[in-house]
Amino acid sequence: LAKTTQPISMDSYEGQEVNITCSHNNIATNDYITWYQQFPSQGPRFIIQGYKTKVTNEVASLFIPADRKSSTLSLPRVSLSDTAVYYCLVGEWSNDYKLSFGAGTTVTVRA
Amino acid sequence: DTAVSQTPKYLVTQMGNDKSIKCEQNLGHDTMYWYKQDSKKFLKIMFSYNNKELIINETVPNRFSPKSPDKAHLNLHINSLELGDSAVYFCASSQDIGADQPQHFGDGTRLSIL
Repeated sequence: LAKTTQPISMDSYEGQEVNITCSHNNIATNDYITWYQQFPSQGPRFIIQGYKTKVTNEVASLFIPADRKSSTLSLPRVSLSDTAVYYCLVGEWSNDYKLSFGAGTTVTVRA
Repeated sequence: DTAVSQTPKYLVTQMGNDKSIKCEQNLGHDTMYWYKQDSKKFLKIMFSYNNKELIINETVPNRFSPKSPDKAHLNLHINSLELGDSAVYFCASSQDIGADQPQHFGDGTRLSIL
């Protein structure tokens, strides 16, 4: 089971780029990497997912190096409304279905 | 229309009681999950069902019993509640099983044990 670690917190200012790195040293061949965003009193919300290289959508980018032992979520030009907890999830489905959430990174965006 | 809805939103009860949390999804998904989030925000999967069949059953006390009457519903029953059960419980669903399947979460049920 791939265990994930990510920074506890990060501070930023409006308009800056925020990069959150998740380490998953034991990632398996079948694992996908997914990132979620959670606001207070709400459930996590899907942001982006990838398997290798780079993925980009209207919200964020996800960078995955060739060895896949880490991944970086990049939030371009953050605003106050991006203040939230961000979770990295590594999942595997082979003979058994395993999911491992990171502990979450609290991102605080200041004006 | 809420995609994944949980009831109740808040649940305050005493130790030793039995309680249930209900979850319904209207997305037509085949897979549903229950997660526990503690005070430190750790999200831990408890159970997962695919087409009403249990596929994930993590190390959870057997006081917790999931039940899936149909694909759209996954309920969680908890017997003999303990102080350590206080947490926020999230229900989620995905189109299918698979690590590449994004999950849709409900807004949680905050369980407080007195």
